[in-house]
Amino acid sequence: KAGVTQTPRYLIKTRGQQVTLSCSPISGHRSVSWYQQTPGQGLQFLFEYFSETQRNKGNFPGRFSGRQFSNSRSEMNVSTLELGDSALYLCASSPDRGDTEAFFGQGTRLTVV
Amino acid sequence: DQQVKQNSPSLSVQEGRISILNCDYTNSMFDYFLWYKKYPAEGPTFLISISSIKDKNEDGRFTVFLNKSAKHLSLHIVPSQPGDSAVYFCAASARSSGSRLTFGEGTQLTVNP
Repeated sequence: KAGVTQTPRYLIKTRGQQVTLSCSPISGHRSVSWYQQTPGQGLQFLFEYFSETQRNKGNFPGRFSGRQFSNSRSEMNVSTLELGDSALYLCASSPDRGDTEAFFGQGTRLTVV
Repeated sequence: DQQVKQNSPSLSVQEGRISILNCDYTNSMFDYFLWYKKYPAEGPTFLISISSIKDKNEDGRFTVFLNKSAKHLSLHIVPSQPGDSAVYFCAASARSSGSRLTFGEGTQLTVNP
């Protein structure tokens, strides 16, 4: 079974630009969650999508948004990039229940200059 | 507020000995707990989990213990191997919050040959 695939692996953007990251979950998994990892804040939950609907949202500004398609693939978008958005963005997929493990992709390393 | 805490940023043990990683939580709604292992610039890898209806779960060299009254869980690795050297994250979820995971800050485990 293929794992969680995130693209691209690395990205360099300029302040003020916007960026779109992509995540393909494990086949059959309907829940996709996004996390941001930074040295100072650890792993922070961004949002979760389930069956094309946002089911949960973390404490991030509205510049961070996401969506999920009918095939469960998900994208997250960050608009008006700031230097502090530089981080490793991780996608996790899981079946539809909260009491099962989530499987992570390798992440997208975003650098904002 | 930090709902999941790992108070030891680092731990160093000798190969063959036991590694014990600790985690505390404050949210009584958490009912599922997981441990992940992470290498730099990669996504977390699932290790082992435990439901709140259990107090112990074993998988090979890994055992997780849950003490609900103390809101404390620990991961035991026996015997420790140099390949176990990585950052270990404790995570928790609540059934009411879908697949959202709340992570601790992580503990860097170093196993010396």
